[in-house]
Amino acid sequence: ELKVEQNPLFLSMQEGKNYTIYCNYSTTSDRLYWYRQDPGKSLESLFVLLSNGAVKQEGRLMASLDTKARLSTLHITAAVHDLSATYFCAVDTYNNNDMRFGAGTRLTVKP
Amino acid sequence: ETGVTQTPRHLVMGMTNKKSLKCEQHLGHNAMYWYKQSAKKPLELMFVYSLEERVENNSVPSRFSPECPNSSHLFLHLHTLQPEDSALYLCASSQGWAGELFFGEGSRLTVL
Repeated sequence: ELKVEQNPLFLSMQEGKNYTIYCNYSTTSDRLYWYRQDPGKSLESLFVLLSNGAVKQEGRLMASLDTKARLSTLHITAAVHDLSATYFCAVDTYNNNDMRFGAGTRLTVKP
Repeated sequence: ETGVTQTPRHLVMGMTNKKSLKCEQHLGHNAMYWYKQSAKKPLELMFVYSLEERVENNSVPSRFSPECPNSSHLFLHLHTLQPEDSALYLCASSQGWAGELFFGEGSRLTVL
């Protein structure tokens, strides 16, 4: 069974600091996704990583994928308050009918 | 309208009621999904419709019944629910096997 683990589950950081969220998964897959969810809102797609070594950046967020290690990272650079949200990683099985989500990382950026 | 829209946004129902959640996507996608999001569990896939054909998910109780009349519309019929079914129900769509999901705003369900 595919398992997706994120850590940390809760992250409180100061504005201007850097940090990394980790996403590990248990079975072979080369498609990984990052989503953002604001409180009371739906999920918004951030990144789609489709191959080993893929790296994508958008503003202060950068995501990477290492399929051999079964690991994806979401790196936050010089955090700002607007980045406060819950971030989910999700992994496709080759079946493609069951995208498994991690438990989410609730990020709070404090002034 | 654009994207994925869900109605109602909030629903309160008794355990003996019958209600339905509606989802409509305006993205031209050919796959639609129902997910359940509760405080205690990660996002759980409930049902998938691909090209209007349902993929069975045996772990979903029969009190939840999906319907996909066409590629743009998806319903979740609710019948004799339990209080533990209270959650945010999210509809999503995608284009084929691309995988990237586009979510609606969700329907917040409370079962009394």
